[in-house]
This record gives sequence, structure tokens and C-alpha cells, in this order.
Amino acid sequence: QKEVEQNSGPLSVPEGAIASLNCTYSDRVSQSFFWYRQYSGKSPELIMSIYSNGDKEDGRFTAQLNKASQYVSLLIRDSQPSDSATYLCAVSVSGSARQLTFGSGTQLTVLP
Amino acid sequence: SQTIHQWPATLVQPVGSPLSLECTVEGTSNPNLYWYRQAAGRGLQLLFYSVGIGQISSEVPQNLSASRPQDRQFILSSKKLLLSDSGFYLCAWSVVPAGVGFYNEQFFGPGTRLTVL
Repeated sequence: QKEVEQNSGPLSVPEGAIASLNCTYSDRVSQSFFWYRQYSGKSPELIMSIYSNGDKEDGRFTAQLNKASQYVSLLIRDSQPSDSATYLCAVSVSGSARQLTFGSGTQLTVLP
Repeated sequence: SQTIHQWPATLVQPVGSPLSLECTVEGTSNPNLYWYRQAAGRGLQLLFYSVGIGQISSEVPQNLSASRPQDRQFILSSKKLLLSDSGFYLCAWSVVPAGVGFYNEQFFGPGTRLTVL
């Protein structure tokens, strides 16, 4: 059974610090990896996609993928209180419908 | 640009009552469509997905059903709700990948919060 594991947290960091969120997955044929941000009571919002080993940077966000170790991480630099949310890791395998398997999420709180 | 709508936003229903949730997508053709449920404090559970009109795949056995009567319309239904059906229901869409590409960015609608009493 495909599994995606995340530390549930909560993770607290001071404003301006780097927040590090981690995710591991069990299916070695996984090909696409995503990070979603979900504010309380709202739907998930896609913030990062990564498909190749290494780092991908977008503004204050950096996604890191290591397929050999089967983990993907998200770094948030210069964390802001507005980054306080639950971050969901999602993994996709090939197939016509490209279903995603989600982790249970890590709750991040950025303290002013 | 693409837009996804869901309604209603919130719903309170008694046990044993029927359910119909609707999702529509604008600005794209022949999308893949998905229904997820998120229980309180939990991750997303894929319920159904559809790659085309009338094509529905179920991921988990349950008393829910889905239909896709039009290209950009996806409906989630139940004949009799259970207490365990309470949750946050999310519709998502993605572009059908061309060729053998890996990508499947899914985009979510605003969701329907269902409480079964």
C-alpha cells in the first residue's frame, strides 16, 4: 500500500527563521511530488511541485527531493506569521489518472 | 484561467438523508476530476476520480457514489448518509497529461463542509 508519512507537529518557529518540513514515501515508482498549504477551514493550495532529484526554489520556498532515500522536504525561509498553516505532502505515480496520495500534514506555527 | 466551483459551502444533514454535492470547472476541457474527503485533523482521502464523461473509478468502498454527466461537472451523491460521512469534501481537477509525462498538478475547489447529525 502506498504511504506518505509526515511529522504531524505542531512545528513552531520564530518569525524570520527557516522552517523545515519533511515527508517520506514508500512507493519507489513515485514520480511527482507536491507540497500544498492548507489554512484552517480552507482547501489546500498548491505551492510547490518537484519531479527531479535536487532542489527547486520559488521565492522563499525550496523543495528538495531525494528519490534514493525516498524523501521530499520543504524549506520556508524568512518564515512569516502568514505561513502558519498545515502543509500537506502529496505523491503521484504514473497512470492515466495520476492519482495523488497525501500525507496527514504538518501543522506549522510561526511565532511573531 | 481555470476556476473550480463547489456548492454548497456548508451542509448539515440528518442521518439517513440523501446527499448531492456538485463541482464544476471552468476554463479547461476534458479535465481529470477527483473527489476527496478530509476528516477533522486528518489528511485527504481520495474517494473517486474520473478521466472522462461517464467514467468513474472508486478508491474506497462506501455508501457514496459519483457521476460525471458533463465534461466539467462532477457530482457526489449518497442515498442515505451515515454519521461517519461527516467531513470536508473537496473536488479537484487536473489537466490530462499528454504523452508519458509525469506531471499531475491538482487544483482544489473551496470545499463543502458536511455535518451529519
